[in-house]
Amino acid sequence: EDQVTQSPEALRLQEGESSSLNCSYTVSGLRGLFWYRQDPGKGPEFLFTLYSAGEEKEKERLKATLTKKESFLHITAPKPEDSATYLCAVQVPLIKAAGNKLTFGGGTRVLVKP
Amino acid sequence: NAGVTQTPKFRVLKTGQSMTLLCAQDMNHEYMYWYRQDPGMGLRLIHYSVGEGTTAKGEVPDGYNVSRLKKQNFLLGLESAAPSQTSVYFCASSSIPYEQYFGPGTRLTVT
Repeated sequence: EDQVTQSPEALRLQEGESSSLNCSYTVSGLRGLFWYRQDPGKGPEFLFTLYSAGEEKEKERLKATLTKKESFLHITAPKPEDSATYLCAVQVPLIKAAGNKLTFGGGTRVLVKP
Repeated sequence: NAGVTQTPKFRVLKTGQSMTLLCAQDMNHEYMYWYRQDPGMGLRLIHYSVGEGTTAKGEVPDGYNVSRLKKQNFLLGLESAAPSQTSVYFCASSSIPYEQYFGPGTRLTVT
């Protein structure tokens, strides 16, 4: 069974205090790993896709990396507006049809205090 | 370009009532999905569609039905609502093999 585990569940940071979020996965047939940001009361917003070990993607203060077993989302010098829940998802093949589905982790709630 | 929209945003049902959630996308995506999000459970796939006129079951399909009569719309139906279906429902669409785009969600409470 495909499994995605995110840690920590919650993270409190001071503005400017860099940190990393972890997403570990056990899946068969990985077709991509996705990071989403979710603000309270809103739908997940796409951030990054990583397809192969060693790949890195950056966007403003966020940097995502991928190994064969886990992915990290590094937040460098965070600001209060980076406060959100960050979701990790792995893309695996659908069983009964062509295409893929996303299996999500439980998310990491990040709070950045000024 | 509105992306993915969902109707309604909020709804309160009594046990046994029925309702339909509407999802619409204007990105010409082939694939559409319905998820539910519950505290401590993450997002779980209810049903999905790989194209107009097709639907298939996801991880938690019991108690729900779906229809995709038009490419841009994906409907989620609850025939007889139960308190266990209290949740936030998200619709998403994608153009395989790329990322899924999510709607703003529908918060449903069943009393």
